[in-house]
Amino acid sequence: SQQGEEDPQALSIQEGENATMNCSYKTSINNLQWYRQNSGRGLVHLILIRSNEREKHSGRLRVTLDTSKKSSSLLITASRAADTASYFCATDDNDMRFGAGTRLTVKP
Amino acid sequence: EAEVAQSPRYKITEKSQAVAFWCDPISGHATLYWYRQILGQGPELLVQFQDESVVDDSQLPKDRFSAERLKGVDSTLKIQPAELGDSAMYLCASRSTSGRAELFFGEGSRLTVL
Repeated sequence: SQQGEEDPQALSIQEGENATMNCSYKTSINNLQWYRQNSGRGLVHLILIRSNEREKHSGRLRVTLDTSKKSSSLLITASRAADTASYFCATDDNDMRFGAGTRLTVKP
Repeated sequence: EAEVAQSPRYKITEKSQAVAFWCDPISGHATLYWYRQILGQGPELLVQFQDESVVDDSQLPKDRFSAERLKGVDSTLKIQPAELGDSAMYLCASRSTSGRAELFFGEGSRLTVL
């Protein structure tokens, strides 16, 4: 069974625009993580936010967490064609469960 | 940089045949996960190991799937007999139990059942 649910399922933007993806989850968590997956490849960790944190930045990535609403968002600023991939949130409560993902397409 | 190794990268088999996937996690990573990912969906946890012990296999279809990690290092996931609906990417991931909480994934094994 999956824990997180991403929204939207698919997102298409122009290079240079910002991309925002949302994740909702159901149970309590230790932390929430975001991963990226290029087509046909394994997942790569992007960023982790702990349950006592509200916002975190890493380069062009900004993640927020609202534990009262059980939701998180991932913002990618100044997107590039190379950001085209699927993005997944994963909730960590000792096991790691992933959502269905957002398929991001960045057009050059 | 250390990586999670998986093999085979691709496997085509006929239904009712047996298939096996192998995973070698990053050295020293005590926690190992097997996920199944159907095309267009997110990874679904099949089994989690802590060293050689199964921590969670609640989503593993035990009538046909088995997983082992005998010495607490590398792991094998087996399907017997394979069914058409088993066509998917099988992903292995590992995690250190000290410090960083991120998962490191292998490149996956793509299974096609004909």
